[in-house]
Amino acid sequence: EVQLVESGGGLVQAGGSLRVSCVASGFTFRSYWMYWVRQAPGMGLVWVSRINSDGSSIVYADSVKGRFTISRDNAKNTLYLQMNSLRDEDTAVYYCASSRGGYYYGMDVWGRGTTVTVSS
Amino acid sequence: DIQMTQSPSFVSASVGDRVTVTCRASQGISNRLAWYQQKPGKAPKLLIYVASTLQSGVPSRFSGSGSGTDFTLTISSLQPEDFATYYCQQTNDFPLTFGGGTKVEIK
Repeated sequence: EVQLVESGGGLVQAGGSLRVSCVASGFTFRSYWMYWVRQAPGMGLVWVSRINSDGSSIVYADSVKGRFTISRDNAKNTLYLQMNSLRDEDTAVYYCASSRGGYYYGMDVWGRGTTVTVSS
Repeated sequence: DIQMTQSPSFVSASVGDRVTVTCRASQGISNRLAWYQQKPGKAPKLLIYVASTLQSGVPSRFSGSGSGTDFTLTISSLQPEDFATYYCQQTNDFPLTFGGGTKVEIK
């Protein structure tokens, strides 16, 4: 079964750090671009970051640039998002996703999400 | 950044109704548009990619059309399991951007 499972969310104080992870199974993780997408409570979807298959090319949304770091370990089939200098507005469910057909073709595999709550 | 504007933001409809959601891009994106369905507490699900191609396993009552800046998602005959929020996403360029969502509720 094709699956992504996030973990590592929790409650953190403003200014703090947290690392969330996403473990892939059922497909060739090392071959595909991966993404983080977040959704604040009651709000819409917001793309956060993208990493290519070997980790050599990375893009961030302006709202997280300089604070968040995306990375991957293809040997462990795992995607990471290191979040530093967290703000109230970073409170959200964080989803990892993959576009196995290429990014033009949309994100066809999603995890269930992990909740990050930033308290001030 | 490419802005995506969805309308309406809310639709009240009955089972069997035809429902149309529109999405407009702030600049031309060719056919690089995806549609997602999200139910409460669940992850989004890809319905349609490159504007009109149905993802495997998605019922044929869903269809997409459009090119350039204007796109539509149509549900030909609304079923109980279709009550959800729908999002468009441009897949033309980074940052990838989503529309604000359209919530389809039971009338």
